[in-house]
Amino acid sequence: EDQVTQSPEALRLQEGESSSLNCSYTVSGLRGLFWYRQDPGKGPEFLFTLYSAGEEKEKERLKATLTKKESFLHITAPKPEDSATYLCACARGGSEKLVFGKGTKLTVNP
Amino acid sequence: ETGVTQSPTHLIKTRGQQVTLRCSSQSGHNTVSWYQQALGQGPQFIFQYYREEENGRGNFPPRFSGLQFPNYSSELNVNALELDDSALYLCASSLDSVSTDTQYFGPGTRLTVL
Repeated sequence: EDQVTQSPEALRLQEGESSSLNCSYTVSGLRGLFWYRQDPGKGPEFLFTLYSAGEEKEKERLKATLTKKESFLHITAPKPEDSATYLCACARGGSEKLVFGKGTKLTVNP
Repeated sequence: ETGVTQSPTHLIKTRGQQVTLRCSSQSGHNTVSWYQQALGQGPQFIFQYYREEENGRGNFPPRFSGLQFPNYSSELNVNALELDDSALYLCASSLDSVSTDTQYFGPGTRLTVL
């Protein structure tokens, strides 16, 4: 069965303190890995799609990377507005659904 | 803004009742997927509709059903509500039914079952 595990469950940073979130997956025939940001009570907001090992994508203070077993979301010099839950989801070839992890709740203190 | 809207925002029902949740997809998106998100959990796939036909289903009982209409709107219906159905219900639209297509989520409907 496809599994997506995110760690840590929660992370508290000081403003400017860089860190990484981890998403490890056991998905047969991975075709895409997605990162979303979700604010409390809101729908997930799309950030990145990664398709193959070695791929990297960047957006402002965020950079996502992918290996054959895991993905990292690196946050450089975070600001309080980066506080949110970050969700990782995998898509398997031949399947129509996304399989989500439970998310990492990030809090950035000023 | 993703262009995906959902209604209502919040809903309170009692056990045994029926509920209909609505979603309006981005124009041109032929696929809508519905997810259930319990508190503190990631979204769980309920089902997907592509060009008005059910295209795949997760581990949800038949009392969860859906419809998709030609005008990019869709519905999620839940019969015989149970307490465990309390959750945030999300719809997501995408261009096609291929799983690698980016799915854009709406703001969700918070359902509370008492």
